[in-house]
Amino acid sequence: GEDVEQSLFLSVREGDSSVINCTYTDSSSTYLYWYKQEPGAGLQLLTYIFSNMDMKQDQRLTVLLNKKDKHLSLRIADTQTGDSAIYFCAESGPTSGTYKYIFGTGTRLKVLA
Amino acid sequence: DGGITQSPKYLFRKEGQNVTLSCEQNLNHDAMYWYRQDPGQGLRLIYYSQIVNDFQKGDIAEGYSVSREKKESFPLTVTSAQKNPTAFYLCASGGAYNSPLHFGNGTRLTVT
Repeated sequence: GEDVEQSLFLSVREGDSSVINCTYTDSSSTYLYWYKQEPGAGLQLLTYIFSNMDMKQDQRLTVLLNKKDKHLSLRIADTQTGDSAIYFCAESGPTSGTYKYIFGTGTRLKVLA
Repeated sequence: DGGITQSPKYLFRKEGQNVTLSCEQNLNHDAMYWYRQDPGQGLRLIYYSQIVNDFQKGDIAEGYSVSREKKESFPLTVTSAQKNPTAFYLCASGGAYNSPLHFGNGTRLTVT
């Protein structure tokens, strides 16, 4: 079945760039998403990319998509302590006549002051 | 402001009792979803509904039930048949196919 994989932890120093990686298996994925979850809260949509794009930039966030390798990354420039959270990668695409969303297990980003 | 409201934020129940979690959205979205989140795990799909009066089981539907009588509302009942109900429950909604999901702030259910 479809699967989305992420590393569990990432630790960076304040001011450095963070790169969170994700791999997925479903070649029919149409959109890929990045969500942020702060403690005790729901998931907040950060950005998303259509599968025929290679890159998308939104202020401090850069998303890179390598469709051949089914690899997605999220780069956060000038990482701040407020960026400490869990980041989820997700993909959606047609599955059996309906659209299904598959989420990774999340990467916990810790920003050290 | 448009959004998704889940209530209550915290819920405590005794084992053997059914409990209903509320989810309301004013985004005019057709599709609504319930996910369960356990520590160190991703989101697991419980039920989803793409239209009023219709819903489908997700990957872990056993021990749960839902209804979709109104477009805005998608309540989830955790029944006594659910073996391990203590978890963080997230409701989401989506517009057109493949549009991003929007999430509520979650309900943390503790069953003792």
